[in-house]
Amino acid sequence: DSGVTQTPKHLITATGQRVTLRCSPRSGDLSVYWYQQSLDQGLQFLIQYYNGEERAKGNILERFSAQQFPDLHSELNLSSLELGDSALYFCASSAQGVGYNEQFFGPGTRLTVL
Amino acid sequence: DQQVKQNSPSLSVQEGRISILNCDYTNSMFDYFLWYKKYPAEGPTFLISISSIKDKNEDGRFTVFLNKSAKHLSLHIVPSQPGDSAVYFCAASAEVSNYQLIWGAGTKLIIKP
Repeated sequence: DSGVTQTPKHLITATGQRVTLRCSPRSGDLSVYWYQQSLDQGLQFLIQYYNGEERAKGNILERFSAQQFPDLHSELNLSSLELGDSALYFCASSAQGVGYNEQFFGPGTRLTVL
Repeated sequence: DQQVKQNSPSLSVQEGRISILNCDYTNSMFDYFLWYKKYPAEGPTFLISISSIKDKNEDGRFTVFLNKSAKHLSLHIVPSQPGDSAVYFCAASAEVSNYQLIWGAGTKLIIKP
């Protein structure tokens, strides 16, 4: 158990809909990262937050947005969903925002768009 | 444009023998490399890392080798055990990119009894 929790575990929705994925980092960790893993692909970095502020942006679509709240949990919002958004979405957390810090991953949310 | 490549989607190894997983990269700015292990229905877990100032790092049964001139790293597992069966991801980062992790597609390792 990494200490990172993600809800829900599974999500099935239709094209055009909007969903929210939630992540609670390990106790004390200030950084939260979101990743997308499509079938048989590596993890694609989407976005990083550090202590409530956006720190780095990766290949995140404009239809996707995220935020980190004062209690440090984070939400990833996916809107106008398309079939190609079906993937595993992982959240990870680390202690600091500067330099490399080991990232601890949650179990992921599997999103299926029908 | 894949900056980190794991060209073997799967690898089958006899229990007790050595498992060698390979990873190639293209970006010469990468200065920190990591291996993560992933079981089904779980998130990746950190296994071992290596900085670009080293060419080898060892942790128990796991050793990572880095060949900067060839832009190649490998993970050796000796001896391989049934619990090592998992997907192994190679990831790389660069200080200039704020240590954002770039991931390979993973190699599924199967340890046969």
